[in-house]
Amino acid sequence: NAGVTQTPKFQVLKTGQSMTLQCAQDMNHNSMYWYRQDPGMGLRLIYYSASEGTTDKGEVPNGYNVSRLNKREFSLRLESAAPSQTSVYFCASSEGSPVREQYFGPGTRLTVT
Amino acid sequence: RKEVEQDPGPFNVPEGATVAFNCTYSNSASQSFFWYRQDCRKEPKLLMSVYSSGNEDGRFTAQLNRASQYISLLIRDSKLSDSATYLCVVNIAGYSTLTFGKGTMLLVSP
Repeated sequence: NAGVTQTPKFQVLKTGQSMTLQCAQDMNHNSMYWYRQDPGMGLRLIYYSASEGTTDKGEVPNGYNVSRLNKREFSLRLESAAPSQTSVYFCASSEGSPVREQYFGPGTRLTVT
Repeated sequence: RKEVEQDPGPFNVPEGATVAFNCTYSNSASQSFFWYRQDCRKEPKLLMSVYSSGNEDGRFTAQLNRASQYISLLIRDSKLSDSATYLCVVNIAGYSTLTFGKGTMLLVSP
């Protein structure tokens, strides 16, 4: 039981490049989330998927897209990376409704130059 | 006004000390409460849920005060390994997401 896994662990992009961050969970959770964490800013929600087939914007969705591929997988795509997207990205999952505790993946450290 | 507020610290305490953190939340419709722990450069991990009657897990005690809209975390007999950032987390009724505080840093020294 791996919990929540994320790939890659580290990535360096040039401005304007695109990439997809992958997230998978094996806990049969309904809900999945993408956060970014920057120094002094705390965790900020980018997008979430309350259940398979649905996605919703969080606090900071601009510049990102998501896909809930199936119940296990939730990907985050940066179409044209910007230096402001340099951050640590965490994926999380939870059982869903009612909202319960979330379990986090190990994170992806992204640098955009 | 931020929805979940925490003193960022750091709280510097010696091993064996007792330390307490408070967290205030602004929305009275908040219904679920948690404490998470985050080590440097790691993911947040659930430390404990917070129940209305208060709850204890070993050296850790969590309390909820709905009237004053705050939750607290008490750590007794601090260990070096308790050094981390502690995140206060709430769920507001009707919302599908959790709201995280920015965290309180604890540094336990020998």
